Amino acid sequence: DGGITQSPKYLFRKEGQNVTLSCEQNLNHDAMYWYRQDPGQGLRLIYYSQIVNDFQKGDIAEGYSVSREKKESFPLTVTSAQKNPTAFYLCASSIFDEQYFGPGTRLTVT
Amino acid sequence: QQQVKQSPQSLIVQKGGISIINCAYENTAFDYFPWYQQFPGKGPALLIAIRPDVSEKKEGRFTISFNKSAKQFSLHIMDSQPGDSATYFCAAIKPDSSYKLIFGSGTRLLVRP
Repeated sequence: DGGITQSPKYLFRKEGQNVTLSCEQNLNHDAMYWYRQDPGQGLRLIYYSQIVNDFQKGDIAEGYSVSREKKESFPLTVTSAQKNPTAFYLCASSIFDEQYFGPGTRLTVT
Repeated sequence: QQQVKQSPQSLIVQKGGISIINCAYENTAFDYFPWYQQFPGKGPALLIAIRPDVSEKKEGRFTISFNKSAKQFSLHIMDSQPGDSATYFCAAIKPDSSYKLIFGSGTRLLVRP
C-alpha cells in the first residue's frame, strides 16, 4: 500500500520534554511538509523539505526542528522551547503541486 | 497578497441540496487551486483541483468553478449527503514557491438527513 504513515496516532508528554513525531512515505515523493492544526483552525506550515539533507522553515518554525536524512522519512521534534505544543500535527508529501497528507498525530502536553 | 480568504465559516445544508463554498485570492501568480476534505481526527484528503486556464472542473458530485478576472473560485457539492459532512479547505500554490500550499481558513459543512 502506498501512502504516508505517521506515528503514533496519540502522544502525551509532560511539559519541558522534547518529543519526536514520525513521518514516513513510500510514494517516492521528493518534497515533504509538516503542518500544525489547532482546534477549529486551518493548517500552518512548520517546516518543509524539497530534497534529502535540505529543509526550510515555514511560517511557525520556532520551537520545532526537523531532519531529512532519507527521502522516505521526515521526523519532527517538538522541543521544550515551543510555548504551546498541544495540537494536531500533519505530515504531507508532494509530487509537484499535488500534496497528500498523512493521518496525523495528536500531541497533548500537560 | 499571500492570503486565501474562505467563506462561509460554517454551512448547514439539507440532504440533496447544493453546498457552495467560496474562496478569494489576491496574488495573481497563484496557478494551482486544490480543495481538501477533512473528517474529524483525520488528515485532509485532496478532493479536486483546478488551474487558471480552466473555468470549471467536475468530478462526480464535486465541481470547482473558477473566475480568473474576479480572482475567486468555489466548490459546489451537488446532491449533498450526510457523509459529505466535513471541513473543507481551499488552497493555492504559487509557482517557484517549493509547492507550498496557502490554505483558506476552512468551512465546516453539516448536511442534515
